[in-house]
Amino acid sequence: LAKTTQPISMDSYEGQEVNITCSHNNIATNDYITWYQQFPSQGPRFIIQGYKTKVTNEVASLFIPADRKSSTLSLPRVSLSDTAVYYCLVGGNNFNKFYFGSGTKLNVKP
Amino acid sequence: GAVVSQHPSWVICKSGTSVKIECRSLDFQATTMFWYRQFPKQSLMLMATSNEGSKATYEQGVEKDKFLINHASLTLSTLTVTSAHPEDSSFYICSARNGTRNNQPQHFGDGTRLSIL
Repeated sequence: LAKTTQPISMDSYEGQEVNITCSHNNIATNDYITWYQQFPSQGPRFIIQGYKTKVTNEVASLFIPADRKSSTLSLPRVSLSDTAVYYCLVGGNNFNKFYFGSGTKLNVKP
Repeated sequence: GAVVSQHPSWVICKSGTSVKIECRSLDFQATTMFWYRQFPKQSLMLMATSNEGSKATYEQGVEKDKFLINHASLTLSTLTVTSAHPEDSSFYICSARNGTRNNQPQHFGDGTRLSIL
């Protein structure tokens, strides 16, 4: 079971790039890394997923080093609406369960 | 794609009532669904894993007779909170996976706010 560790909170300003790092030292060979965004009173929303190196989509990039023991979610040019809690999840193998860590509360200021 | 619908979005009921929450995958078949609960300002806690056509697997400390889970079809799972009491008040969230391959992420419903008076 891959436990994840993230910073509890981060502050940023509008227009800045934000990088949130997640540690997952005991990630399994078959595990994927997935990031979610959650607003208050809503379910988590899928942002991006990756296995190794770099993945980019229309909203974020995900950087994964060769040892895969950590990952970094990069949000380019954040806005006030990006204020939310961000979770990284590790898992995916067959019926593997997914356990949420504490998440990172990102506060974007004007 | 990959939309998960959860109903109802909120419910208020008296202590002792049983409450059923539905979780539907609208545009894919969900082999596995998960149920979570979340208390204010806390992370999501996995309650149980539900596989279509088989009994749910509950996490340690979660009473299976209290939280009845049924996954009768590939698009529907239900969570019934039986004889609910105020301490069961929480935010319940379901998720579903489209298949069992390693790269299949979970997709979440928008949650159900349960308030027991």
